Amino acid sequence: EVQLVQSGAEVKKPGESLKISCKGSGFLFTNYWIGWVRQMPGKGLEWMGIIYPGDSDTRYSPSFQGQVTISADKSISTAYLQWSSLKASDTAMYYCLRRGSGSYYFHYWGQGTLVTVSS
Amino acid sequence: QSALTQPASVSGSPGQSITISCTGTGSDVGAYSHVSWYQQHPGKAPKLMIYDVSNRPSGVSNRFSGSKSGNTASLTISGLQAEDEADYYCSSCTSSSTLNWVFGGGTKLTVL
Repeated sequence: EVQLVQSGAEVKKPGESLKISCKGSGFLFTNYWIGWVRQMPGKGLEWMGIIYPGDSDTRYSPSFQGQVTISADKSISTAYLQWSSLKASDTAMYYCLRRGSGSYYFHYWGQGTLVTVSS
Repeated sequence: QSALTQPASVSGSPGQSITISCTGTGSDVGAYSHVSWYQQHPGKAPKLMIYDVSNRPSGVSNRFSGSKSGNTASLTISGLQAEDEADYYCSSCTSSSTLNWVFGGGTKLTVL
């Protein structure tokens, strides 16, 4: 069974750093692109970027380029989303998702990680 | 990259049919047959309902169907049921070379 399991909710202060994770199982992690989506409170889905764990090829949405870093550790089948200096506006639910092989849709999603940034 | 345009809300009575539109441009919806639709219930992760404009994943009811004309894609739900009440998002690939996607703003479906 394909699963994406994300790390737990985080509460951080502005200016702090953070790295959240998404662990894949039930499939060959190195062979599938893993993406990230943001959902701010009461708002819609926003595309952030995607990584291919096999060679760490990473593509960012222009809206998020330079704002976050997407990485992966293929040895433990885990993708990451990280911030070096959080802002209150980073408060949101973040989902990881798996792109189907050669496809342009996302059949498998993680359960989401809620990030709250507040002083 | 601007979000795809969806109506903020639609509603229908049980048994009726509704259609949710998703309007993009010639660079996204109009350029690719890679429009997908996702259903999201409150507090849950989105669920794939339609991919590549009109295909249903295994396990999704055939009451859900998709289509596209020009720069506008549509999701139709027939025989509305109470469990269909949710938010629906469309998505389109905007570049197959740089691997970029865009989502619609979302539509709240209310089953009256």
